[in-house]
Amino acid sequence: DAKTTQPPSMDCAEGRAANLPCNHSTISGNEYVYWYRQIHSQGPQYIIHGLKNNETNEMASLIITEDRKSSTLILPHATLRDTAVYYCIVTWAGSYQLTFGKGTKLSVIP
Amino acid sequence: NAGVMQNPRHLVRRRGQEARLRCSPMKGHSHVYWYRQLPEEGLKFMVYLQKENIIDESGMPKERFSAEFPKEGPSILRIQQVVRGDSAAYFCASSPRSSGQTDTQYFGPGTRLTVL
Repeated sequence: DAKTTQPPSMDCAEGRAANLPCNHSTISGNEYVYWYRQIHSQGPQYIIHGLKNNETNEMASLIITEDRKSSTLILPHATLRDTAVYYCIVTWAGSYQLTFGKGTKLSVIP
Repeated sequence: NAGVMQNPRHLVRRRGQEARLRCSPMKGHSHVYWYRQLPEEGLKFMVYLQKENIIDESGMPKERFSAEFPKEGPSILRIQQVVRGDSAAYFCASSPRSSGQTDTQYFGPGTRLTVL
């Protein structure tokens, strides 16, 4: 699986959009970009995933650059409950071993 | 729709005892994965199971650890003769594993094992 690089920490004001970047410059054509988050040692929570196109669901939007070498997770209106560690994971469709790096610790500030 | 269930949520064992961790996958999911998270570290894959089959146990320590997913009942992660280094959070995930499509894993709340 391709390696990912994320900033170790970010702050976001409550109610504003949180934009979390991820670099995956060695991604191959059949690899997906997944985002999970872990709130204070709870189980990781699936957020969203994508291959080439931008994706949106009730939790977030995923913007993948045209060359697929980076992506951004967008939480449109961050709340205090979004404070968590966010993991960007690149994995191919047949893989079952998710590789969790250190992620980005997002702090939403009142 | 109930999510992945794990029990117990907290487990305390003394060195040398056995620990049994249980995981019930989401309804309709037939694939189970176990991960371990040591303090201040990321999750590490341990084992992948289908009903009655271990598919990949490459992340399992070679000794004292075993896993099963019987035809009936939950998946069990068993740690024999626990040592202090086994203290960690153990997470189970499940997926439907539809062939030809990407397969999303959904995680349970975890079992926090403390070895005294």
